[in-house]
Amino acid sequence: EIVMTQSPATLSVSPGERATLSCRASQRVINLAWYQQKPGQAPRLLIHGTSTRATGIPARFSGSGSGTEFSLTISSLQSEDFAVYYCQGYNNGPPLTFGGGTKVELK
Amino acid sequence: QVQLQESGPGLVKPSQTLSLTCTVSGDSITSGTYFWSWIRQPPGKGLEWIGYIFHSGNTDYNSSLKSRVSLSVDRSKDQFSLKVNSVTVADTAVYYCARTVFGVPYLDLWGQGTLVTVSS
Repeated sequence: EIVMTQSPATLSVSPGERATLSCRASQRVINLAWYQQKPGQAPRLLIHGTSTRATGIPARFSGSGSGTEFSLTISSLQSEDFAVYYCQGYNNGPPLTFGGGTKVELK
Repeated sequence: QVQLQESGPGLVKPSQTLSLTCTVSGDSITSGTYFWSWIRQPPGKGLEWIGYIFHSGNTDYNSSLKSRVSLSVDRSKDQFSLKVNSVTVADTAVYYCARTVFGVPYLDLWGQGTLVTVSS
């Protein structure tokens, strides 16, 4: 089973700054997705296929990486972007595995 | 637009069975190449995928829960359901249902979630 490790656990950022979140898989994954979760809400799909933005997701969100190392970049943080972000990996069979999450908080 | 809504008891006693249903509205559960997943999130913790089901009834489960979990689908009602047997306090969580894109699966549409507390 793949283990997904996210870093850092918490990222303190000022509005307008760039934020880069990391996700590492214990073995190669063939699909990597990112989700955003705000308090009291369900997660929302941001990125699938490593770098494809989901419908309606602003261009300031971008995903990159391959193999076992992936990242999510928010180019200029807006107030509505403060949230917890989860990566999710998959490799030729269940389970779908989530990372532990990165909380992006106001600096 | 397509929406998912979880329903079921919010309180279950230890050793009993947790049962939840997800209703899909705005489209048929048989349209497209989607699986239908359950995910849970203990209070203050991360996400755990439980399993998914296709409208044909084919299923896959997280091995960590497989012995206690079963999924079913009712195509006539556009619903799919989750049962977790022999629950303990560790099963207390917000349970989400989600539409799962086939192939290289990811979860593109989520229900709002429902809190299930296991307590005597």
